[in-house]
Amino acid sequence: EVQLLESGGGLVQPGGSLRLSCAASGFTFSSYAMSWVRQAPGKGLEWISGISGSGDSTYYADSVKGRFTISRDNSKNTVYLQMNSLRAEDTAVYYCAKQGRGYYGSEVRKTYYYYGMDVWGQGTTVTVSS
Amino acid sequence: QSALTQPASVSGSPGQSITISCTGTSSDVGSYNLVSWYQQYPGKAPKLLIYEASKRPSGVSNRFSGSKSVNTASLTISGLQAEDEADYYCCSYAGSSTWVFGGGTKLTVL
Repeated sequence: EVQLLESGGGLVQPGGSLRLSCAASGFTFSSYAMSWVRQAPGKGLEWISGISGSGDSTYYADSVKGRFTISRDNSKNTVYLQMNSLRAEDTAVYYCAKQGRGYYGSEVRKTYYYYGMDVWGQGTTVTVSS
Repeated sequence: QSALTQPASVSGSPGQSITISCTGTSSDVGSYNLVSWYQQYPGKAPKLLIYEASKRPSGVSNRFSGSKSVNTASLTISGLQAEDEADYYCCSYAGSSTWVFGGGTKLTVL
């Protein structure tokens, strides 16, 4: 069974830092891109960051660029989100998600693409407040 | 990276069909067939319902269907059931390995 388990959330003061972790199991972790998606209280979902399967490429929403850093350790099947310079507006439930993947082409020459998030963790809550 | 536009709420009676729209731009929904839909119950993680605009993952009821036309994607739920009452979100690839979600729609089953 594919599972994602986030940890690391908590209460932090404005300007502080926190590192979230997401432990994955049940699939070939290094073969899939991963994303972090957050949801502020009473609000909608917001994609904030993604990372390629190898970890060589990272992507960010403008709202967190320069403050958050995504990384992964494929030997530990874990993806991380380092959050610095935290603001009150970063208060949210943070979800880790596996990118759903499809392919086209022949069986011997597949070209992969990602179509969204097909598996989600249960979320971890981050509260930024003094 | 502006959010996709969804109606804040829709409602329907058991057995009826409802449709939720998701409007983007030529930079996201209009440029890619990579639109997905998610169902979320209060306090729970989202669940993938539809991907690539109209495909259903295994295990998702065929009462859920999706479509896309130009810059607007749609989710239709037929034979509405009480258990369908939840929040629904669309999501689109927005280029450069980034994704954008809709603001969400609260479905009420009357």
